[in-house]
Amino acid sequence: EDKVVQSPLSLVVHEGDTVTLNCSYEVTNFRSLLWYKQEKKAPTFLFMLTSSGIEKKSGRLSSILDKKELFSILNITATQTGDSAIYLCAVDNNNDMRFGAGTRLTVKP
Amino acid sequence: DTEVTQTPKHLVMGMTNKKSLKCEQHMGHRAMYWYKQKAKKPPELMFVYSYEKLSINESVPSRFSPECPNSSLLNLHLHALQPEDSALYLCASSQVWGHGTSSYNSPLHFGNGTRLTVT
Repeated sequence: EDKVVQSPLSLVVHEGDTVTLNCSYEVTNFRSLLWYKQEKKAPTFLFMLTSSGIEKKSGRLSSILDKKELFSILNITATQTGDSAIYLCAVDNNNDMRFGAGTRLTVKP
Repeated sequence: DTEVTQTPKHLVMGMTNKKSLKCEQHMGHRAMYWYKQKAKKPPELMFVYSYEKLSINESVPSRFSPECPNSSLLNLHLHALQPEDSALYLCASSQVWGHGTSSYNSPLHFGNGTRLTVT
């Protein structure tokens, strides 16, 4: 059975800290791995990763995929209170998008 | 605001009611999805339509009935729901390239969801 496992499930940090969120997966027919940020409503897209070792970067956020070890990390540097959210990892498994349980990040002032 | 529009935003219904959730996108996406999300849990996949055909039904009870009238619209018909069906129902869409085992999807675009309460 396909699995997407995120860790930690919950994380509390202070503004300015750097955080690393983890996502490991076991799926057949892997196509891509995606990161989303969910605050109160719809998840919003952050990154889509298809190739190993190529870092994707957007401002203070970056992500990388390791297809040999079957995991991805999402880094957030110089965290701000606005980064508080649930970060969801999802794997596209041939026309089927499966989510991990998410990491709830709380950034305190 | 998102490019995927869901109506209504909130819905309260009794266990004997029949209601429908609606979802619309005009991005030309050919895959549309229904997810159910309970509080503090990730979205759980319910149904996937690809090129207007139901491609995935994740063993969802028959009291939930999806419908894809055309490539822009996705409905979820609700009948005889239970209180445990109360949740946020998210619609999403993605572009699809290719078919079958050679297909690839763009990232999902989500609507803001319908908050459903079953009394």
